[in-house]
Amino acid sequence: SQTIHQWPATLVQPVGSPLSLECTVEGTSNPNLYWYRQAAGRGLQLLFYSVGIGQISSEVPQNLSASRPQDRQFILSSKKLLLSDSGFYLCAWSQGGVREKLFFGSGTQLSVL
Amino acid sequence: AQKVTQAQTEISVVEKEDVTLDCVYETRDTTYYLFWYKQPPSGELVFLIRRNSFDEQNEISGRYSWNFQKSTSSFNFTITASQVVDSAVYFCALSEGAGGYNKLIFGAGTRLAVHP
Repeated sequence: SQTIHQWPATLVQPVGSPLSLECTVEGTSNPNLYWYRQAAGRGLQLLFYSVGIGQISSEVPQNLSASRPQDRQFILSSKKLLLSDSGFYLCAWSQGGVREKLFFGSGTQLSVL
Repeated sequence: AQKVTQAQTEISVVEKEDVTLDCVYETRDTTYYLFWYKQPPSGELVFLIRRNSFDEQNEISGRYSWNFQKSTSSFNFTITASQVVDSAVYFCALSEGAGGYNKLIFGAGTRLAVHP
């Protein structure tokens, strides 16, 4: 069966520090991968998606970047965190096209202080 | 542009009450998919249902039921005889994508609190 792992679960970082969040999927190949952010009390905003290794599409201009160095690995990064980067980050995967449901990881709560 | 509106920010009910969560969407596509997800306190989103735009039949799964009406662009979710375990944030979402991927556009979510 397929599983998705996301870590760390919580992270407290000072403003201006770097960020690296990692997500891996097991039990499937060539998945579509997604990073979403959920600000406090708000819905989920799609940040990045990837349909293959090295292929990253950005939805919202921001202080973050994403990379996909391996088929089932998706990394969210920042060189210098801002206060506004605080939020709950969720990684997700899907297999196939527009009708396919997304499977989500357990999320990372990021607090930038 | 695609948009999903969940006008109810928070709903509070007493156990065994029925509750309906509203979802209104906007899209210019003729083929699209709608989803409902549940986010319990643990944070992980749990898939509940998917509905395509050509299937307007209502669906029932245990205490859960969904009412899809294209005429009003709504996809409402009803929980019958609510239980404390139903307490969570519920998200409605609309699919957007082409070819081999699916970008879900989420509503802001409705926080449901079920009290004993």
